[in-house]
Amino acid sequence: GAGVSQSPSNKVTEKGKDVELRCDPISGHTALYWYRQRLGQGLEFLIYFQGNSAPDKSGLPSDRFSAERTGESVSTLTIQRTQQEDSAVYLCASSLGPMGETQYFGPGTRLLVL
Amino acid sequence: GDSVTQMEGPVTLSEEAFLTINCTYTATGYPSLFWYVQYPGEGLQLLLKATKADDKGSNKGFEATYRKETTSFHLEKGSVQVSDSAVYFCALSDPGNQFYFGTGTSLTVIP
Repeated sequence: GAGVSQSPSNKVTEKGKDVELRCDPISGHTALYWYRQRLGQGLEFLIYFQGNSAPDKSGLPSDRFSAERTGESVSTLTIQRTQQEDSAVYLCASSLGPMGETQYFGPGTRLLVL
Repeated sequence: GDSVTQMEGPVTLSEEAFLTINCTYTATGYPSLFWYVQYPGEGLQLLLKATKADDKGSNKGFEATYRKETTSFHLEKGSVQVSDSAVYFCALSDPGNQFYFGTGTSLTVIP
């Protein structure tokens, strides 16, 4: 079946603008994760959704970052008043169940803030 | 807290050479351990995993054994190919906690 999809694949924006990144998880996957990958660095956990439970937002770096998920489907990650240090690849992953299950990653959105 | 430390890269090998990428972990519970691979221009994908001590994960000629006594999960392959050129990430997941990823090790295999 279809894998995790993300859009846009690339986004260039000006400092101070807001951006929205979208993730479509694999159908039936109850868990959804967002990560940030800066150039040459590892994955930085941002936020985790599991079913209808309250999301784990412990990785969000500032209040400019927020994310929502509609039920067990699409998620959007919003970055307000973007800064140059927000430039990174934003990765979304989904898994069948709670933490511990194999995660399946989307191709990522490459964000460049000028 | 939980963490993963993996071998710094980049690693450059000739085709058919033996590969080892070291990974050690720190965890308070009994984690599952993973190796993910990111091929150029593609998203991360699971390479192999092990869910308990002494388990060996294997896929595409790669192997890693979950060693609780040394808290390690080193990735090995006996004979690398050019198509194995990618970035490899070690990761752990402790049920009830987050996923923790290593910083990634870039591998380039030259003909």
